[in-house]
Amino acid sequence: DSGVTQTPKHLITATGQRVTLRCSPRSGDLSVYWYQQSLDQGLQFLIQYYNGEERAKGNILERFSAQQFPDLHSELNLSSLELGDSALYFCASSIGQGASEAFFGQGTRLTVV
Amino acid sequence: LAKTTQPISMDSYEGQEVNITCSHNNIATNDYITWYQQFPSQGPRFIIQGYKTKVTNEVASLFIPADRKSSTLSLPRVSLSDTAVYYCLVGGTGTASKLTFGTGTRLQVTL
Repeated sequence: DSGVTQTPKHLITATGQRVTLRCSPRSGDLSVYWYQQSLDQGLQFLIQYYNGEERAKGNILERFSAQQFPDLHSELNLSSLELGDSALYFCASSIGQGASEAFFGQGTRLTVV
Repeated sequence: LAKTTQPISMDSYEGQEVNITCSHNNIATNDYITWYQQFPSQGPRFIIQGYKTKVTNEVASLFIPADRKSSTLSLPRVSLSDTAVYYCLVGGTGTASKLTFGTGTRLQVTL
């Protein structure tokens, strides 16, 4: 158990819909990272937050947005969903801002039908 | 951001030592080298991190030559449960750098 909690574990929704994925970081961790992993693909970095503020942005679509709340949990919002958005979405957390040891959650498997 | 190059796949027999090399020619002075392991449908797991020379923990060893343009993850006496994808990452700590994963090396361990 990494200490990072992601909910829900599975999500099935229709094209055009909007969903919210939730991540609770490890206790004490200030950084949260979001990744997308499509079937048999690598991990695509989406966005990073540190202590409530956006710190780095990767290949995140404009239809996607994220935020980190004062209690440090984070949410990833995906809207106008397309079939190609079906993937595993991982959240990770770390103490600092940099590329140090990070702990990953078990992921949310999103299926768009 | 330093780009990394790893072999796409490797095969090994159980009980052998496995060495996975990662090239990172444009590594910056303040960059650390970090390796992660990922099983199917699970989040990556931190294995080891180093800056130079050699680092060893209970799971693996990391060898980094003086020029730091490459690194080698060494897994002693692998078992079937070590079958996974291994990622090499290069980035600075204490900065707003992102954890960028490459394609990784798919290690298949067989009897």
